[in-house]
Amino acid sequence: DQQVKQNSPSLSVQEGRISILNCDYTNSMFDYFLWYKKYPAEGPTFLISISSIKDKNEDGRFTVFLNKSAKHLSLHIVPSQPGDSAVYFCAASARWRGGSNYKLTFGKGTLLTVNP
Amino acid sequence: EAGVAQSPRYKIIEKRQSVAFWCNPISGHATLYWYQQILGQGPKLLIQFQNNGVVDDSQLPKDRFSAERLKGVDSTLKIQPAKLEDSAVYLCASSRGLAPSYEQYFGPGTRLTVT
Repeated sequence: DQQVKQNSPSLSVQEGRISILNCDYTNSMFDYFLWYKKYPAEGPTFLISISSIKDKNEDGRFTVFLNKSAKHLSLHIVPSQPGDSAVYFCAASARWRGGSNYKLTFGKGTLLTVNP
Repeated sequence: EAGVAQSPRYKIIEKRQSVAFWCNPISGHATLYWYQQILGQGPKLLIQFQNNGVVDDSQLPKDRFSAERLKGVDSTLKIQPAKLEDSAVYLCASSRGLAPSYEQYFGPGTRLTVT
């Protein structure tokens, strides 16, 4: 049962253009969403996040949009740069068993390639 | 500040053997996580510690996996005996606290191959 889905295994864009990475989720208890970026042979690094009370969060070239009714979020990168080439993971968090603990559920990732 | 350290970086063992991974989190981080990332999948949480106590180990295969965080700092994850399906990258992460707004910092991972 995959609760966080990234249906595009890969995406290729030209340098300077917009990259749009998509993520869908099924669990309505998710209330915090994150994007992580991963280079080969390295651990994931945090990129940007959004709370369920917002529908947009922006940080420089990166913007995350959240559509709660559609259970969909997207990451926009503008303009895309060759250094952005990496695997991008969408992750969602829900309070675990009603306590103070939260658990992250990750999607399978999307490989972004930005061509010079 | 120094990042999350993990060792070894790579390990190859035969099935039914034992293996242990070590993690040193960022100084001052109370929460420590072990994730398993199988090729083509996202990281899956195995166990989560708050200081030296376990707060979630619901996805840890306890018949073969064990983990400890003595003194609330370093942690070890052990597999005994290993199966072929345990081949994966094992990621350690740490954060200042439990809430998702506390960024999780990941180590480089240990790539385990079970033959």
